[in-house]
Amino acid sequence: KNQVEQSPQSLIILEGKNCTLQCNYTVSPFSNLRWYKQDTGRGPVSLTIMTFSENTKSNGRYTATLDADTKQSSLHITASQLSDSASYICVVTPDQTGANNLFFGTGTRLTVIP
Amino acid sequence: DVKVTQSSRYLVKRTGEKVFLECVQDMDHENMFWYRQDPGLGLRLIYFSYDVKMKEKGDIPEGYSVSREKKERFSLILESASTNQTSMYLCASSLGIREIVIMTEAFFGQGTRLTVV
Repeated sequence: KNQVEQSPQSLIILEGKNCTLQCNYTVSPFSNLRWYKQDTGRGPVSLTIMTFSENTKSNGRYTATLDADTKQSSLHITASQLSDSASYICVVTPDQTGANNLFFGTGTRLTVIP
Repeated sequence: DVKVTQSSRYLVKRTGEKVFLECVQDMDHENMFWYRQDPGLGLRLIYFSYDVKMKEKGDIPEGYSVSREKKERFSLILESASTNQTSMYLCASSLGIREIVIMTEAFFGQGTRLTVV
């Protein structure tokens, strides 16, 4: 079972609307959680990174929240733009050393339509 | 800006060919990674390296090898390409010695879409 689950798998919204993407994880103990944006045919680009002690982190119109007790994170996109169309990937790092310990969700594919 | 550059955006190779995927980063990062990304499976780690000439297997190393002769360059090698290796390959790098790598961010290249026919 994947230790990082994202929902929904895909989402279509109208330009200008807000949306929220979900990430649930079972990785424990937990060090940090990152949200990446991946445009089609491109590599992922970091949006936010939060440690276990942080509840929220913003990057422009993107706001990530974290509830370490329930092991849930959300990415809220405000006033969506056509350029927000991409896959959004949640990545969790466990609280242990080792460069290979990154757990990836399978992503949410967001499409913003005019 | 950190730049991670992969040598090819698209590649088409024949079954049985030896394939080299090259990745170069310009920020003096210690750690470099190779992932493959398939629909519905997310990113899966193939190999990673935390120093020159050091390499460690990731989750799916079978059918792959790597080379890191210089700090800035990390190569992924498919010894004998097979159709099940058709995928998007992503290289990443991050700063930090092994003990603090969990606090640093991974920067990704633009990806190489490999098709094996």
